[in-house]
Amino acid sequence: QSVLTQPPSASGTPGQTVTISCSGSTSNIGTNTVIWYQHLPGTAPNLLIYNNNQRPAGVPDRFSGSKSGTSASLAISGLQSEDEANYYCAAWDDSLNGHVVFGGGTKLTVL
Amino acid sequence: QVQLQQWGAGLLKPSETLSLTCAVYGGSFNGFYWSWIRQSPDKGLEWIGEITHKKATNYNPSLTSRVTISVDTSKNQFSLKVNSVTAADTAVYYCARGRKAVLRATFLYYGMDVWGQGTTVTVSS
Repeated sequence: QSVLTQPPSASGTPGQTVTISCSGSTSNIGTNTVIWYQHLPGTAPNLLIYNNNQRPAGVPDRFSGSKSGTSASLAISGLQSEDEANYYCAAWDDSLNGHVVFGGGTKLTVL
Repeated sequence: QVQLQQWGAGLLKPSETLSLTCAVYGGSFNGFYWSWIRQSPDKGLEWIGEITHKKATNYNPSLTSRVTISVDTSKNQFSLKVNSVTAADTAVYYCARGRKAVLRATFLYYGMDVWGQGTTVTVSS
């Protein structure tokens, strides 16, 4: 059981916009910033979004993040076949001396 | 460009100790939070813990009793040990570089932006 809650799956057709949700609590998302990772099978995870809505260099602006209260969302616009991957949200959790918590991951399928 | 290279034993028997090392090439070792993360088969990512160059550590509360993360600043390396492994510790283990900041008294966790290639660890009798 992951601390952050994500839907297990999402799907969309090329060109569409898909949104993935992430729900937490006051000790993590409610207090700290949200991070999103893209994970392709057989490769290391890739930092997609940090500080709720900031993109590292090289991440297309088709990827955007937002946060409200204890929930966050990742939006992918202009969906492309190469976006098919697992997406994880994460945050720092202030409980128990502080640690990183992840969502369970959302498998995105491009139809 | 910073690169992380990790290595360690890939096949263990129950009750043995898992040992992995990660070397940091091409960048500063100071000022970052050197982390270990794992992904069990058909499951999501799990953060194991982190260490700084000053040897300050944070661990996942669910693993803290069995995990030790150490650092060798003379070699720009950090290591993970997990005691008394079971089949539940079978996973792909990653090392990664984490970043944090404090801006105007606000703590900011920036996530992990550089990752190692991953090491598959299997625990089986």
